[in-house]
Amino acid sequence: GESVGLHLPTLSVQEGDNSIINCAYSNSASDYFIWYKQESGKGPQFIIDIRSNMDKRQGQRVTVLLNKTVKHLSLQIAATQPGDSAVYFCAETSEILTGGGNKLTFGTGTQLKVEL
Amino acid sequence: EAGVAQSPRYKIIEKRQSVAFWCNPISGHATLYWYQQILGQGPKLLIQFQNNGVVDDSQLPKDRFSAERLKGVDSTLKIQPAKLEDSAVYLCASSLVGLRPQFFGPGTRLTVL
Repeated sequence: GESVGLHLPTLSVQEGDNSIINCAYSNSASDYFIWYKQESGKGPQFIIDIRSNMDKRQGQRVTVLLNKTVKHLSLQIAATQPGDSAVYFCAETSEILTGGGNKLTFGTGTQLKVEL
Repeated sequence: EAGVAQSPRYKIIEKRQSVAFWCNPISGHATLYWYQQILGQGPKLLIQFQNNGVVDDSQLPKDRFSAERLKGVDSTLKIQPAKLEDSAVYLCASSLVGLRPQFFGPGTRLTVL
């Protein structure tokens, strides 16, 4: 079936560097994408979202890029801090396939480790 | 603004026992979701409500899992009887209607012995 996958299970970066977390999706009908951050023992925390009619969206220290041609999504974190250490999930949904239900399909996650 | 509330935070039961989880969504959010998250994996949708109606329960093991949202606000998820493979974190989320971000509660960690 359709799935959302992540390229790397673990990403280690130095504090202050920029981080890039990648995600591939296979459902060409996907039209809404979300990045979540999950710290140990907590629920997923919304970071940023993007709709399929956009290819870039910026937030505070984060940027999401969407390439619909190759079905690829990335999350860029500027000046990575120790507090950014967590598991990051991309999730996608298709309004058409879910009948407006907004059912999210999650990937397995990337562990981001920030080294001091 | 208060977030999604869940209780209990932790629960340990023996197999074949029953358990119930409670969720109170963000005020004004008509859509409520229950997810199951197994260690090392992303959350998997179990059931979705819009107000007090079920939108999607295709992934809910209906022989043992049930959920309700009688007044369109808070919700309960029940497992009866529990199996070892039900050990997981159960997450509740809520959102506004349509393509909107879902906001998650802290989850309930269930251990079935």
